[in-house]
Amino acid sequence: AQKITQTQPGMFVQEKEAVTLDCTYDTSDPSYGLFWYKQPSSGEMIFLIYQGSYDQQNATEGRYSLNFQKARKSANLVISASQLGDSAMYFCAMREYDQGGSEKLVFGKGTKLTVNP
Amino acid sequence: DSGVTQTPKHLITATGQRVTLRCSPRSGDLSVYWYQQSLDQGLQFLIQYYNGEERAKGNILERFSAQQFPDLHSELNLSSLELGDSALYFCASSVEAGSNQPQHFGDGTRLSIL
Repeated sequence: AQKITQTQPGMFVQEKEAVTLDCTYDTSDPSYGLFWYKQPSSGEMIFLIYQGSYDQQNATEGRYSLNFQKARKSANLVISASQLGDSAMYFCAMREYDQGGSEKLVFGKGTKLTVNP
Repeated sequence: DSGVTQTPKHLITATGQRVTLRCSPRSGDLSVYWYQQSLDQGLQFLIQYYNGEERAKGNILERFSAQQFPDLHSELNLSSLELGDSALYFCASSVEAGSNQPQHFGDGTRLSIL
């Protein structure tokens, strides 16, 4: 079963507008973490924002914010004031770990964002 | 710059060969993770090391192996290479597993099998 679902293969937004990238997740663990990464066409993976399952407030990092709705198991990324440089693939990921110290990230299939001038 | 260094950036080789990918984690990070990104499988976790010890295994083939050395750098060895092994291989590091700190990724090694 897919644990991270990104339903938007591609999204388009006009420069300076806001855009929301969807992410839903599936876990039965009470403690988990959710991440968003950006992958430009050059290939590197850039960490954007993190939300812990026990965090009371939605995470924000500059123009990035995370709309975390725990009951709905969604963690949507909101990018405000889009810039041309925001054009990239965006991946939502969930951290799975246990008390033994093992950890891995489970990634969604990604959303390709294109910012139009 | 994430602080994670991967070498080489590109690698072109033939089927049946063996290659070694190298990763230096961020200063102070004890956990190292390897991921494979391919067009058909997406981003998949391969293996995790913490302070020299293997901690978790994912979808890693028996032809692949990894290790983390006392200086905390890690190597991923891929042998008997097949066309399907062509992919972008990422190394990531974090301070410790289970914390609220992110995994920081290197720029990846792009492996092409001819």
